[in-house]
Amino acid sequence: DQQVKQNSPSLSVQEGRISILNCDYTNSMFDYFLWYKKYPAEGPTFLISISSIKDKNEDGRFTVFLNKSAKHLSLHIVPSQPGDSAVYFCAASDDSNYQLIWGAGTKLIIKP
Amino acid sequence: NAGVTQTPKFRILKIGQSMTLQCAQDMNHNYMYWYRQDPGMGLKLIYYSVGAGITDKGEVPNGYNVSRSTTEDFPLRLELAAPSQTSVYFCASSYTDRGYGYTFGSGTRLTVV
Repeated sequence: DQQVKQNSPSLSVQEGRISILNCDYTNSMFDYFLWYKKYPAEGPTFLISISSIKDKNEDGRFTVFLNKSAKHLSLHIVPSQPGDSAVYFCAASDDSNYQLIWGAGTKLIIKP
Repeated sequence: NAGVTQTPKFRILKIGQSMTLQCAQDMNHNYMYWYRQDPGMGLKLIYYSVGAGITDKGEVPNGYNVSRSTTEDFPLRLELAAPSQTSVYFCASSYTDRGYGYTFGSGTRLTVV
């Protein structure tokens, strides 16, 4: 039973356009959501997070939106750059334990 | 500043062999984690530690053991390797337990044949 789902295994976007990566979750107890970015042969690196008390968090070109009623979050990258080509993981946690629950990842390809 | 160092980067094991995956961090983080990532899947937590001398099971602990004798080191032991343990293993450390401060190592790709 996947509690965190990233339904798009890959996404291709033109350089300079907006990239939108989606993530759905089923556990209503999740109260903290994170996005990590992973390049080949490297470990994931933290990108941006959002608490369930907010519906939006921005950091430069990256914005995460949270829709609690739909149990959905999205990561917007504007404008997309070639260095953004990577696998993006969505993860979630609740405050009852230390475990992050991870989605399967979306491979983002930025086309020149 | 090395961050989180994992060794080896690649290893091929025969069924039934044992090995230890090494993980060391130099950031004085209390929390350390071992994950595995299977193809097309998210990361699954194997074991974690909240400080030296304290370890606990994650979601998929069977077939593995850990120890945490120092703050810096968190080795993962595989006893009696099985093909189902073929995966990429990531070690991570953090100041907090909420995930945003995780620093990951570059991973160990293990194949059991």
